[in-house]
Amino acid sequence: DAKTTQPTSMDCAEGRAANLPCNHSTISGNEYVYWYRQIHSQGPQYIIHGLKNNETNEMASLIITEDRKSSTLILPHATLRDTAVYYCIVRVDGGSQGNLIFGKGTKLSVKP
Amino acid sequence: GAGVSQSPSNKVTEKGKDVELRCDPISGHTALYWYRQSLGQGLEFLIYFQGNSAPDKSGLPSDRFSAERTGGSVSTLTIQRTQQEDSAVYLCASSLLQSSYNSPLHFGNGTRLTVT
Repeated sequence: DAKTTQPTSMDCAEGRAANLPCNHSTISGNEYVYWYRQIHSQGPQYIIHGLKNNETNEMASLIITEDRKSSTLILPHATLRDTAVYYCIVRVDGGSQGNLIFGKGTKLSVKP
Repeated sequence: GAGVSQSPSNKVTEKGKDVELRCDPISGHTALYWYRQSLGQGLEFLIYFQGNSAPDKSGLPSDRFSAERTGGSVSTLTIQRTQQEDSAVYLCASSLLQSSYNSPLHFGNGTRLTVT
């Protein structure tokens, strides 16, 4: 099972900031929070990841609470092309897998 | 540079036939993963390769599924005696470092398999 909880869907007006929340209350100390998105008919696209500090890149910002039990992905100026399913993932610890366990994600709809 | 490449992009096969799906990872990436995604569902982990280590096959749904990675680069996922429930998008991903939580996975656009 996924170790994260996200809202099923969200709407955002074009040009406004989109704030996507994620709860990961059982996260371990050495587990990173990753965000991916999937646009219809494409593979998942890496957005950003972080451990405990806030992170920013050309696509988005990631805000992680001090207790690391939740995080928010921020798309500062959403466009119609940002309409996608957004996945918040905690990188699985242990073993040789290092794979990502994807949950159902949040379907973000950016509206004109 | 080039991303993860998968072929074919679409495959239609008859029930009972074998299929092979190919993945070309990003050059220099040592880890390679296969996932599948059924219609409207999330991603399901299948198998993971890391360098010359034995692959982690814990996600393969049955012994009809197998995968290999030759020369530490290209990988082939084989499904024998396909069933209709095998219909899905099969996604390949690669990452630079072994089990590094600081090394993102990069995905291809998948192969859409339809079993009739």
